[in-house]
Amino acid sequence: AQKVTQAQTEISVVEKEDVTLDCVYETRDTTYYLFWYKQPPSGELVFLIRRNSFDEQNEISGRYSWNFQKSTSSFNFTITASQVVDSAVYFCALTLYNQGGKLIFGQGTELSVKP
Amino acid sequence: GAVVSQHPSWVICKSGTSVKIECRSLDFQATTMFWYRQFPKQSLMLMATSNEGSKATYEQGVEKDKFLINHASLTLSTLTVTSAHPEDSSFYICSARGSSGRDYNEQFFGPGTRLTVL
Repeated sequence: AQKVTQAQTEISVVEKEDVTLDCVYETRDTTYYLFWYKQPPSGELVFLIRRNSFDEQNEISGRYSWNFQKSTSSFNFTITASQVVDSAVYFCALTLYNQGGKLIFGQGTELSVKP
Repeated sequence: GAVVSQHPSWVICKSGTSVKIECRSLDFQATTMFWYRQFPKQSLMLMATSNEGSKATYEQGVEKDKFLINHASLTLSTLTVTSAHPEDSSFYICSARGSSGRDYNEQFFGPGTRLTVL
């Protein structure tokens, strides 16, 4: 069975601090996709990144960076120099190539960035 | 980019009434749409997978007769909560999967519908 675990339920940081959100996944399939979504208080999910299982390159997009390590089944997300606008719930998700697109979500991490 | 809309964005209804929520893909054709429910402080829970022109596939524990899903066209899926009760109050989110290419393994999410049953 597949599973996504986000062990950090809530994280609170002060503005300008760096913060890493952890994501660990479980699957026996070799072809899969991993995602990160942001859910601000408005509720709408905002897509951040998609990574397929064959691409272990780390990615950086502005203040955001992602570290994908198949050896530890982790796909961690780091926000550098956090800002108040980063406050939201962040979800990590997994989909298998042959599952018709069904997403398996982690429990989510609520990030609070204080000024 | 791919845009998915939901209507209404929020609804308040009396217990025992039925509520219909629409999910539309505005600039692409979606052969598959998904319906999720999210309770406060919880993750998204997949309720059902809707394929155009066929019956929806419901996840275990989701009542088919209570949550009616219709996917009549490549751009529209509807979720009807029948005889709603206060415990059905939740945030309902739909998503649509692209039909081909890079979008095939990506879901595009609607803004969600907040249902409150009094």
